[in-house]
Amino acid sequence: QVQLVESGGTLVKPGGSLRLSCAASGFTFSDYYMSWIRQAPGKGLEWISYISSGTTYTNYADSVKGRFTISRDNAKNSLYLQMNSLRVEDTAVYYCAKTYPSGWFDPWGQGTLVTVSS
Amino acid sequence: QSALTQPASVSGSPGQSITISCTGTSSDIGIYNLVSWYLQHPGKAPKLIIYEVTKRPSGVSNRFSGSKSGNTASLTISGLQAEDEADYYCCSYAGSITYVVFGGGTKLTVL
Repeated sequence: QVQLVESGGTLVKPGGSLRLSCAASGFTFSDYYMSWIRQAPGKGLEWISYISSGTTYTNYADSVKGRFTISRDNAKNSLYLQMNSLRVEDTAVYYCAKTYPSGWFDPWGQGTLVTVSS
Repeated sequence: QSALTQPASVSGSPGQSITISCTGTSSDIGIYNLVSWYLQHPGKAPKLIIYEVTKRPSGVSNRFSGSKSGNTASLTISGLQAEDEADYYCCSYAGSITYVVFGGGTKLTVL
């Protein structure tokens, strides 16, 4: 059974940094693209980044480009999101998702909440 | 403001059919047959129910169906059930730079 479990979300001050993790199981992690997608409280979904199976390719939404870095460790079946220069508007539940390059996501983890506030 | 436009809410009675529209542009829905749909129950993660406009993942009820015409994609749910009450999001591939765009979501109420 495919499972994705995010961790690392917490309360952080504006300008601070945070690293999210996503532990994958139940599939050959190294064969698949992976993404981070976020959802601000009461709002819709926003794709923010993907990484290719072998880490060759990464892509970011303009809203996080230059501040967030996606990475993965295929030996540990883990996905990461390093978040720097955090802003209040980065407050959201962050989901990791197994990604199909043509743009759909299945499945999703349960999410981890990041709150940016002073 | 989301890149794809969905109605904020729709409603229907048990057993009825409803359709949720998702309007994009000639840069996303209009040129790619790569629309996906997700349902999200309160407090839960989104779940894929349609991909590549019309395809259903294994295990998804055949009461869910997708279609596309021009710049607009649609999700139809037939035989509405109470458990279908959820938020529904559309998503479209939008090229190698933008990658994907989501709709703002539609809240389905089963009366």
